[in-house]
Amino acid sequence: DTAVSQTPKYLVTQMGNDKSIKCEQNLGHDTMYWYKQDSKKFLKIMFSYNNKELIINETVPNRFSPKSPDKAHLNLHINSLELGDSAVYFCASSQDVQTAAGAFFGQGTRLTVV
Amino acid sequence: AQSVTQLGSHVSVSEGALVLLRCNYSSSVPPYLFWYVQYPNQGLQLLLKYTTGATLVKGINGFEAEFKKSETSFHLTKPSAHMSDAAEYFCAVKGSGSARQLTFGSGTQLTVLP
Repeated sequence: DTAVSQTPKYLVTQMGNDKSIKCEQNLGHDTMYWYKQDSKKFLKIMFSYNNKELIINETVPNRFSPKSPDKAHLNLHINSLELGDSAVYFCASSQDVQTAAGAFFGQGTRLTVV
Repeated sequence: AQSVTQLGSHVSVSEGALVLLRCNYSSSVPPYLFWYVQYPNQGLQLLLKYTTGATLVKGINGFEAEFKKSETSFHLTKPSAHMSDAAEYFCAVKGSGSARQLTFGSGTQLTVLP
């Protein structure tokens, strides 16, 4: 009955590999997000989708590609992983973009690139 | 553009003492303001939010925050700290733009001393 679930929780991989993180929400929300939390705990938004359409695309390397097959899922694919990609990635969802609703967060995926 | 400043990256209080975590925001439109808590190795959990109306808002676990427009502040307080309150706390603003994404402060690590 988890509201926002991400898999995997931990991901250790070598430089140059391609990896994906999956996210699903069962809250019926229209909007989903990917955030990156660095080693200093700073949270920065990467992408946002509303009803499967990309609405926010911050300054993120094009090695990162989000995909939303339906409004309940937002996956993150990362090509050619680099050491600097090591971080915790959080998926989140909210009712929509315009209301005062806060966001619900997943448990995070700790990505370590070696 | 919107931004959040959290004063004090680390705050220590004794168990039973007052907790005060400071947050100042910048937004070109009336903001929606949030406090989130992050326990170790977990995702973010919404503590409370301000949208409109009453400027003193109450949240979970005995926390409350007061919106002061003249001071552009939204400080988080709890009358009596408990050991279980030790965590990272994030203030966030949801402001203007066609996509009202959450912008987070840099976080405050709360330590509760026995």
